[in-house]
Amino acid sequence: AQSVTQLGSHVSVSEGALVLLRCNYSSSVPPYLFWYVQYPNQGLQLLLKYTSAATLVKGINGFEAEFKKSETSFHLTKPSAHMSDAAEYFCAVSSNTGNQFYFGTGTSLTVIP
Amino acid sequence: EAGVAQSPRYKIIEKRQSVAFWCNPISGHATLYWYQQILGQGPKLLIQFQNNGVVDDSQLPKDRFSAERLKGVDSTLKIQPAKLEDSAVYLCASSLDGTPNEKLFFGSGTQLSVL
Repeated sequence: AQSVTQLGSHVSVSEGALVLLRCNYSSSVPPYLFWYVQYPNQGLQLLLKYTSAATLVKGINGFEAEFKKSETSFHLTKPSAHMSDAAEYFCAVSSNTGNQFYFGTGTSLTVIP
Repeated sequence: EAGVAQSPRYKIIEKRQSVAFWCNPISGHATLYWYQQILGQGPKLLIQFQNNGVVDDSQLPKDRFSAERLKGVDSTLKIQPAKLEDSAVYLCASSLDGTPNEKLFFGSGTQLSVL
């Protein structure tokens, strides 16, 4: 069985500060992991994905995430928050034994000017 | 390239009424997904099509929900009769061939309010 847990449903950071959004996964087989972003009134967009090629994955808009098997984590970071980063962020997992994506409950990011 | 198109954008109905949503995926995408996103929760897969066949509908409440993708292109999702707990955003997504590490492309969704 696969699932993801996102710690913190709401995160607030000041503009220019570090963004850290947490995601832990549960999977009985090596997973594929994803971060999607949802801006207000828009559909979800892929930020980045981990497919075992490299543990540090760089995505769009300056975001990156590191796969840590020992911690079963895939936290999303960005060194310096921008006002345009305010959105809902979803972590998701799938595996090569099935083609269903399991999404976390989401983290709402607020950027304070 | 054109994205995933969904309509209507918003729908308000009373309980026990029926409603239908439409989705047109990105051209050439074989796999189409319908997700239900209840406020404060992550998207939950309702049904997945590969061309015009159903791959997974294990979480579709089949007593009231139905979906079809007759020609392997666009798709409709129907709820009949609707319940209050069906209030949610219904998201359609598509991908090229449905492999597990593939990117999903999402539409803007249909926001359903059941009164």
